Amino acid sequence: DVKVTQSSRYLVKRTGEKVFLECVQDMDHENMFWYRQDPGLGLRLIYFSYDVKMKEKGDIPEGYSVSREKKERFSLILESASTNQTSMYLCASSLPTTGELFFGEGSRLTVL
Amino acid sequence: RKEVEQDPGPFNVPEGATVAFNCTYSNSASQSFFWYRQDCRKEPKLLMSVYSSGNEDGRFTAQLNRASQYISLLIRDSKLSDSATYLCVVTLSGGSYIPTFGRGTSLIVHP
Repeated sequence: DVKVTQSSRYLVKRTGEKVFLECVQDMDHENMFWYRQDPGLGLRLIYFSYDVKMKEKGDIPEGYSVSREKKERFSLILESASTNQTSMYLCASSLPTTGELFFGEGSRLTVL
Repeated sequence: RKEVEQDPGPFNVPEGATVAFNCTYSNSASQSFFWYRQDCRKEPKLLMSVYSSGNEDGRFTAQLNRASQYISLLIRDSKLSDSATYLCVVTLSGGSYIPTFGRGTSLIVHP
């Protein structure tokens, strides 16, 4: 059974803290994505990666960075968390040939 | 203009009803189309891919109209468990495969 695992389901952080969100997939997928989802705004792409050590900015990369040192792991980093980064963060992976996305369960981040 | 547009709803229908959602896309080079289902506070999950010839999976039928640049989802004999948000996803081909999501259509099926 395919699996995308996000390390933390719920996090509460303070403004200015550094936050790491980890995502691991066991399907040997080349593509990995980080989205955030907010009410009324839908899913918005933050960053994506097509291969190890490769990353591309999505629609809303400001305030975020990513790391992909291994094929199965894609990390999202908030260097200095702010209250407007309170959101649901969703990681996904896909094969380049089909485009079908497999999502993790999401990480709900609250920044106080 | 947003690349992928959906009516947010909510669509409020009784059990047993037939309901249809449309989703329009702006990029004529779009090649892959999907409908995802998202339950409250859960991650999206693939409901069905949408093929040029249309496809059916039980009570669900998906259609693609390239000329008018929209896809549709028809749900027959609605069940209470169909209550969810339905997300339209459009992907460009040519190696990029960056999925673009609509904001979703909310469906509420009531007894």
